[in-house]
Amino acid sequence: AQKVTQAQTEISVVEKEDVTLDCVYETRDTTYYLFWYKQPPSGELVFLIRRNSFDEQNEISGRYSWNFQKSTSSFNFTITASQVVDSAVYFCALSEAGSGGYNKLIFGAGTRLAVHP
Amino acid sequence: KAGVTQTPRYLIKTRGQQVTLSCSPISGHRSVSWYQQTPGQGLQFLFEYFSETQRNKGNFPGRFSGRQFSNSRSEMNVSTLELGDSALYLCASSPLAGGRTGELFFGEGSRLTVL
Repeated sequence: AQKVTQAQTEISVVEKEDVTLDCVYETRDTTYYLFWYKQPPSGELVFLIRRNSFDEQNEISGRYSWNFQKSTSSFNFTITASQVVDSAVYFCALSEAGSGGYNKLIFGAGTRLAVHP
Repeated sequence: KAGVTQTPRYLIKTRGQQVTLSCSPISGHRSVSWYQQTPGQGLQFLFEYFSETQRNKGNFPGRFSGRQFSNSRSEMNVSTLELGDSALYLCASSPLAGGRTGELFFGEGSRLTVL
């Protein structure tokens, strides 16, 4: 069965600290996508990144970086030099080729990140 | 470019009533998905519509239904409301060009409270 686990419920850091959000997934599909979304207080989820199961290259986008390791079924997200504006709930998600379409996302429970000045 | 618009933003209903929520996707997006977000169950997929056809459905009872119109706008309906239906209902659209690859653009949601 497909499942996404975000073990960290809440993380609190001081501005400029680096922080890593963990994500572990379970799937029987060989073809799947992994995602990270950000949910600020306004409510709408904001897409951050998509990674398919055949591409294990790490990715960096500004202060954000993602580490995908199929061997450990993990897709971790690191924010370097965190800022107050990074405060939000972050969701890791999975979609599978066999689920009838990649727009059916299985979300983790989310990690609430609080960045203090 | 206007984002995904959901109406109403907030509403209060009583048990047994029904509710209809509306979603206008980003112009040109043909896929609309609905998700329910609650503190207990988190974010759960309800259904997806593409070109007026339901393409995928989550594990929710038949009281939850939806439809999509020819202009891609979508509505979802919940009948015989229960207290547990209190939630933030999020609508998301995805780009036509991108197909169904999971990059979703979400609205701010409709927060439903059932008393």
